[in-house]
Amino acid sequence: SQQGEEDPQALSIQEGENATMNCSYKTSINNLQWYRQNSGRGLVHLILIRSNEREKHSGRLRVTLDTSKKSSSLLITASRAADTASYFCATDENSGAGSYQLTFGKGTKLSVIP
Amino acid sequence: KAGVTQTPRYLIKTRGQQVTLSCSPISGHRSVSWYQQTPGQGLQFLFEYFSETQRNKGNFPGRFSGRQFSNSRSEMNVSTLELGDSALYLCASSKSGGARTGELFFGEGSRLTVL
Repeated sequence: SQQGEEDPQALSIQEGENATMNCSYKTSINNLQWYRQNSGRGLVHLILIRSNEREKHSGRLRVTLDTSKKSSSLLITASRAADTASYFCATDENSGAGSYQLTFGKGTKLSVIP
Repeated sequence: KAGVTQTPRYLIKTRGQQVTLSCSPISGHRSVSWYQQTPGQGLQFLFEYFSETQRNKGNFPGRFSGRQFSNSRSEMNVSTLELGDSALYLCASSKSGGARTGELFFGEGSRLTVL
């Protein structure tokens, strides 16, 4: 099942601009994570925000979480060509009997033009 | 510290064959999860193993199976391959189970092509 849904599906910006990606999810969560994937490679963890947090920063990344709207956003400031990748949000979905699985959205494909 | 290692990186099989993929987690990590990634369905959770026990399972047919060894290394097997099984298979490890406790560390994946 797809818990998170990213928006937009694709985003193209000029180097130096900011990039904002959004994620919506359906059920209550304990935390929400963002991952990055370069074409055909493995995913790399970027940042985790817990349900009792509203905003978190890591370098040029800023993540917000609105649990009332079941949504999150990832902002990348002063983008670089090297930021070109797909970005996924992931939530801990309760799969029953006290077990949880990390469920990913379909991702936003970011292209940063030099 | 070595990362998550997946082998083989690329493989080509024909319909009806079976395939085994291997994953070596980061040293000290006891949880291993497997995901299938396709352009149409995105990242789909297959299963998670912790201390040699399957702790969680996604919605995949019984042709998909896995196991974990005492050294935390994991294998997944797909029998009677179908064209739709062509995908990037990603393995991820964490210390105790990333979904509730933190991040997953992913390998580079095994790209399976079924002809």
